[in-house]
Amino acid sequence: ETGVTQTPRHLVMGMTNKKSLKCEQHLGHNAMYWYKQSAKKPLELMFVYNFKEQTENNSVPSRFSPECPNSSHLFLHLHTLQPEDSALYLCASSHRDTNEKLFFGSGTQLSVL
Amino acid sequence: AQKVTQAQTEISVVEKEDVTLDCVYETRDTTYYLFWYKQPPSGELVFLIRRNSFDEQNEISGRYSWNFQKSTSSFNFTITASQVVDSAVYFCALSGNNAGNMLTFGGGTRLMVKP
Repeated sequence: ETGVTQTPRHLVMGMTNKKSLKCEQHLGHNAMYWYKQSAKKPLELMFVYNFKEQTENNSVPSRFSPECPNSSHLFLHLHTLQPEDSALYLCASSHRDTNEKLFFGSGTQLSVL
Repeated sequence: AQKVTQAQTEISVVEKEDVTLDCVYETRDTTYYLFWYKQPPSGELVFLIRRNSFDEQNEISGRYSWNFQKSTSSFNFTITASQVVDSAVYFCALSGNNAGNMLTFGGGTRLMVKP
């Protein structure tokens, strides 16, 4: 148990659906992250929030929309996704957003049909 | 730009064998940090170690040891007397000022330890 909880663990959605991924941490961390892990690519950083402010958007398509209402919660809103967006989406947190070790959740395995 | 290369995509060993996972990195930063993470089948990445670029001392933690060699830009990870529970994907990662202090991950090495 790393202290970072992600829901749902698995999600299947059609290309026209709208869904949200949720991440929650109770470690007192100030930075939260979304990573995408595809079968054939290295882990890709998507977004970084530090003290609820977005500090990094790694050229992510607008069909992915993050939301960070407070330092403990992070959402990833999904709409009109493509089949190539199928991947494991990992949330992480750390004390700060620079050079810190990350604590990861177990991820949401997303399949887009 | 910074880059992390884990040339071994998959390694298979028999229990009790020693195994070394290779990691080679590229960076223009003079100050940077190197990490290793373990990803078991459950999915979450588990932090193993972080090293500062100024600290080239090798580190040992139980059956795990790390060899940091700045001259060859390598940060290799050795598991001694491997166990089935060591089966996982292992990621090497790098962070530094050049990339906004964000982690750059290698492609990972899948380690399978057979009984």
